[in-house]
Amino acid sequence: QKEVEQNSGPLSVPEGAIASLNCTYSDRGSQSFFWYRQYSGKSPELIMSIYSNGDKEDGRFTAQLNKASQYVSLLIRDSQPSDSATYLCAVNKNNAGNMLTFGGGTRLMVKP
Amino acid sequence: GAVVSQHPSRVICKSGTSVKIECRSLDFQATTMFWYRQFPKQSLMLMATSNEGSKATYEQGVEKDKFLINHASLTLSTLTVTSAHPEDSSFYICSASGSVERLGQFFGPGTRLTVL
Repeated sequence: QKEVEQNSGPLSVPEGAIASLNCTYSDRGSQSFFWYRQYSGKSPELIMSIYSNGDKEDGRFTAQLNKASQYVSLLIRDSQPSDSATYLCAVNKNNAGNMLTFGGGTRLMVKP
Repeated sequence: GAVVSQHPSRVICKSGTSVKIECRSLDFQATTMFWYRQFPKQSLMLMATSNEGSKATYEQGVEKDKFLINHASLTLSTLTVTSAHPEDSSFYICSASGSVERLGQFFGPGTRLTVL
């Protein structure tokens, strides 16, 4: 079992729809969780972080965390073609300092 | 958000030469810097972790004598690819984090290395 798992996709949604990206992790002691967006040929960009159970909203993005289920998700409302990218889930495991464990990423395609 | 720069953004070199890549945190003190490598259509692969003033910690399978890392200050880390070969051609990305772990890592724009 991978430490951080994501469906590789591609996840295809029509423009204006809600895109739902999911991630599970294996280390129950993990404390911090991050979502990065990576456009093709570019480096990852931090878009959301979450530490507590529940939802955290920032503009069109909502991160959801459920530590009991070891599950973190990212919702993108009103998806735009410019949201088409690979989304990386990253987990800061317990006692890992600043090191992050990354999932393999989910490729999102938003079709006009 | 925090800003991390990398230089050069792109480099083409001949086989056998050495290439130095610089990573700078521009608006915060980076207590830890990370170096990643990413081949086309593949995931990020962590190469090494470096803390300011101490030796880098390399991931399994990464040759420390080939990939020299120096983290001399809280704002600068360098990666030198020594005696580069075509198989070293890849996208090298640094990231930096500060003293607060929950703020995550901030990535530089990456350096695309092509070894002929």
